[in-house]
Amino acid sequence: QQPVQSPQAVILREGEDAVINCSSSKALYSVHWYRQKHGEAPVFLMILLKGGEQKGHEKISASFNEKKQQSSLYLTASQLSYSGTYFCGTESADSNYQLIWGAGTKLIIKP
Amino acid sequence: NAGVTQTPKFRVLKTGQSMTLLCAQDMNHEYMYWYRQDPGMGLRLIHYSVGEGTTAKGEVPDGYNVSRLKKQNFLLGLESAAPSQTSVYFCASSYLGLAGGSPQYFGPGTRLLVL
Repeated sequence: QQPVQSPQAVILREGEDAVINCSSSKALYSVHWYRQKHGEAPVFLMILLKGGEQKGHEKISASFNEKKQQSSLYLTASQLSYSGTYFCGTESADSNYQLIWGAGTKLIIKP
Repeated sequence: NAGVTQTPKFRVLKTGQSMTLLCAQDMNHEYMYWYRQDPGMGLRLIHYSVGEGTTAKGEVPDGYNVSRLKKQNFLLGLESAAPSQTSVYFCASSYLGLAGGSPQYFGPGTRLLVL
């Protein structure tokens, strides 16, 4: 079952912060985050493994709440280069060693 | 290091025609994947391979076949194309599987239009 991403789209001014959520109805082993710019391939951002850890990548960080079966991606002081569509991919016990991807969150950063 | 490459970049087919999409990676990765991406639906796994000579079905395998005769190549075949197979196809590879926490590296994609 596809994880639910929210919001579907968000428009920010450069320098503002954003939070993108990824929720599943299943117990998760891991959550993978990718960014895709228009017409390009998805690019890896980070993986959150079971254990509730928080990871960071420049001004982008993420958390994983196993109890809530949810992960959140935090973009701080957004830059124009952060524009794109963000996807989460989830791994659970019955996903048969596959990532199940959310529908994506479109992020538009305006100067 | 080219990473993951895909050929062709764009193709138009008529219903019923066949074609093969080629994916190549030069990172010595064991795992390779074929996804399709449709508007508003994210990525869906078609087939994947955990090593040379092995393949397995993903979420949406019907109408597609794959082969992994060499470690660096993963071929996706459409035997009889249908308009529902109009999509963008991405190949990806990873060093380890999900249990190893390996990221997937994606190719640039192939846009396929079936008329």
